[in-house]
Amino acid sequence: GENVEQHPSTLSVQEGDSAVIKCTYSDSASNYFPWYKQELGKRPQLIIDIRSNVGEKKDQRIAVTLNKTAKHFSLHITETQPEDSAVYFCAASNDDYKLSFGAGTTVTVRA
Amino acid sequence: NAGVTQTPKFRVLKTGQSMTLLCAQDMNHEYMYWYRQDPGMGLRLIHYSVGEGTTAKGEVPDGYNVSRLKKQNFLLGLESAAPSQTSVYFCASSYSNQAGGSYNEQFFGPGTRLTVL
Repeated sequence: GENVEQHPSTLSVQEGDSAVIKCTYSDSASNYFPWYKQELGKRPQLIIDIRSNVGEKKDQRIAVTLNKTAKHFSLHITETQPEDSAVYFCAASNDDYKLSFGAGTTVTVRA
Repeated sequence: NAGVTQTPKFRVLKTGQSMTLLCAQDMNHEYMYWYRQDPGMGLRLIHYSVGEGTTAKGEVPDGYNVSRLKKQNFLLGLESAAPSQTSVYFCASSYSNQAGGSYNEQFFGPGTRLTVL
């Protein structure tokens, strides 16, 4: 099955700085890569996703890049704000519905 | 729309007891999922369903059973609870591939915190 590794497990950044989270996947057939954000005590929510036919996707302050050859994808958050503090999960799918999640990254934005 | 709801929110069981977690969605989604979330391990898929009357095993199915008798409901059962099943359980649902748009987005319920003593 698919194995998704996520790094780092924790990330502390100064407000206004950028944050980068990296994930690798094992199944070359995976073609869908979403990112979920989970605030403390809340449910995970999709923040951005990318398909394997696209190398980069951006939505305001967040962007995701995908390198199919190397089998890794990254989440970039620019101009971080206190409300960006949360746990972020990457995931991969090779069948368009079941997701294999990474272990998560706890992001703390310092004021 | 309530989205995805789960009952109960919290539960404490003794080893060997049984219980059923209920997930309901009002978005007419075909696909439904049960995950468990443990510290440092992300979300792991227990069982899933691609439609009413169908279920399939996920990554960590042992010790759990599921049923999907109605499209809007997905039940997760623990027949004989063990301390290793202490976790936060999330239900999720999504459209089938044919729906178009962001059809892969999984919508999560608020979670059930289960403790097995």
